[in-house]
Amino acid sequence: NAGVTQTPKFRILKIGQSMTLQCTQDMNHNYMYWYRQDPGMGLKLIYYSVGAGITDKGEVPNGYNVSRSTTEDFPLRLELAAPSQTSVYFCASSYSKGLGEQYFGPGTRLTVT
Amino acid sequence: AQKITQTQPGMFVQEKEAVTLDCTYDTSDPSYGLFWYKQPSSGEMIFLIYQGSYDQQNATEGRYSLNFQKARKSANLVISASQLGDSAMYFCAMRDLNRDDKIIFGKGTRLHILP
Repeated sequence: NAGVTQTPKFRILKIGQSMTLQCTQDMNHNYMYWYRQDPGMGLKLIYYSVGAGITDKGEVPNGYNVSRSTTEDFPLRLELAAPSQTSVYFCASSYSKGLGEQYFGPGTRLTVT
Repeated sequence: AQKITQTQPGMFVQEKEAVTLDCTYDTSDPSYGLFWYKQPSSGEMIFLIYQGSYDQQNATEGRYSLNFQKARKSANLVISASQLGDSAMYFCAMRDLNRDDKIIFGKGTRLHILP
């Protein structure tokens, strides 16, 4: 059982470049989330989705876009990368509203220089 | 607005002692869930324990227990008989079940277990 997978694991971007962080879960979870974790800090919610076709902004959505065309996939798009987006990005999923924990992917470490 | 506060940025504890990591929260909704996660130096997020706001008893999972004091809006994590492998970052999180169902995290507490 793969759980939540994220690709790539590491990436270095130049300022102004764009990229998509991939996230896939095989647990048929309705809820999916993107977080960023800056060094020594907690997780901040970027975007989340409560089901295919539905997305909503979290705490820090600026500079990012998401889509949810299937239950399994929840890609995060960075347009015009900036040094402030240097962070570790975590994707997570959970089964349904309020029931128990989120399952996290291994994270993507992104550096923008 | 929802808020999670972890006031201990770092803690040092002798191996085999019990540890209490503090977490206070703020929400106006009566229905919410509280979580604790462990993040070792390898970076992954590991779920430890969950407490629902309507649960009558404090949650326990092995060596982990959650000291839930609803009136004080606190959800402290207690680790009994600490082990060297417990050294990690610990995050408290909250989910409002009636509102937008987002999950927010505290800033974390770094726990160091000393041999």
